Amino acid sequence: DIQMTQSPSSLSASVGDRVTITCRASQGISNYLAWYQQKPGKVPKLLIYAASTLQSGVPSRFSGSGSGTDFTLTISSLQPEDVATYYCQNYNSALGTFGQGTKVEIK
Amino acid sequence: EVQLVESGGGLVQPGGSLRLSCAASGFTFSSCAMNWVRQAPGKGLEWVSTISGSGSSKFYADSVKGRFTISRDNSKITLYLQMNSLRAEDTAVYYCAKASGSGIGRFDTWGQGTLVTVSS
Repeated sequence: DIQMTQSPSSLSASVGDRVTITCRASQGISNYLAWYQQKPGKVPKLLIYAASTLQSGVPSRFSGSGSGTDFTLTISSLQPEDVATYYCQNYNSALGTFGQGTKVEIK
Repeated sequence: EVQLVESGGGLVQPGGSLRLSCAASGFTFSSCAMNWVRQAPGKGLEWVSTISGSGSSKFYADSVKGRFTISRDNSKITLYLQMNSLRAEDTAVYYCAKASGSGIGRFDTWGQGTLVTVSS
């Protein structure tokens, strides 16, 4: 089974900072990588799919990159409403494994 | 508007059974694979199971294989998860999620979740 490893597990940054979260797959998954945002007490929401395609309605400060085994999610200018836990997910196989999550807080 | 509404959660004793339902609306249900994802209290997301649009292909996480059964009724536009031999570690909020296509794909819409508590 493919394992997804995110880093860091948590981070604290100031409003306006550039934030980067990484996700590594244990084997190549091409670009079958999605990112989800889960705000406290809320349902997960799809942010990015195919590693770099922004889901409709998602602010342009979010971006994704990568292919194969290494991926990144970037928030170009952190906003208070971005406080959430972010998860990557491999959908290259039927086993839709998630990363363990990265909690983003405001400093 | 695409909508998913789960039901059927509750308190059940270890070893017991429960059936979750997910009523769908706003899209062509039979054209989309459907999924169950769970989240234990204070923990991350765990993929549980996927069923293809036709219902012919089903996939399970190792943690639930042999105990849980995913199914769908395309005429009733409803997804199900039959959970047997429940354990304390199955305690979680269970979400149904719609895939972007008939097979494996990103989860583009999620329900609000239903809480399953396994405890004596």
